[in-house]
Amino acid sequence: AQTVTQSQPEMSVQEAETVTLSCTYDTSENNYYLFWYKQPPSRQMILVIRQEAYKQQNATENRFSVNFQKAAKSFSLKISDSQLGDTAMYFCAFMIGEPDKLIFGTGTRLQVFP
Amino acid sequence: DVKVTQSSRYLVKRTGEKVFLECVQDMDHENMFWYRQDPGLGLRLIYFSYDVKMKEKGDIPEGYSVSREKKERFSLILESASTNQTSMYLCASSLGRFNQPQHFGDGTRLSIL
Repeated sequence: AQTVTQSQPEMSVQEAETVTLSCTYDTSENNYYLFWYKQPPSRQMILVIRQEAYKQQNATENRFSVNFQKAAKSFSLKISDSQLGDTAMYFCAFMIGEPDKLIFGTGTRLQVFP
Repeated sequence: DVKVTQSSRYLVKRTGEKVFLECVQDMDHENMFWYRQDPGLGLRLIYFSYDVKMKEKGDIPEGYSVSREKKERFSLILESASTNQTSMYLCASSLGRFNQPQHFGDGTRLSIL
């Protein structure tokens, strides 16, 4: 069975600093996608970044980047220059096959302090 | 932008009641999903649908059913609500192509008394 593990239930970071959220997953498949979703206190889940397993290059979206280590089955999210608006619950998720079912980790609550 | 609308932000019902949670998306997405979110458990898939009138069980379908009579609308039904179904419910939709991201609604916080 595919599983996603986020080992950090809570993290905090000071504004303008860098923070890394960890995620590991387990699968025997070779073709899959990985996602990071953000859920702010207002609750709507929004997509932060995604990574195709067949691409070696790490995905980047502005201040958000991933460190994808396929052999280690690791997919961490780095947030640079943290902002107060980054305060949210962050979920790592894994997708394989049809019809695009997502398997979520348990989430990491990130608090950004001024 | 994709908009996924859930009919209620907060809902309070009593045990034994039949409860309907409604979800509508405006982007002609083929796939629709219902999740349940609980602290420490993340999101767990209840049911999903990849076409009108089609439905598939997710990981925790017990006590729930769904209906998809129109492409844009996906309803979650609690046939006889119980207190252990108190939770946050999230609806999502996605295009019917491999590995498209899911777009989420605001969620419904359901309390069963």
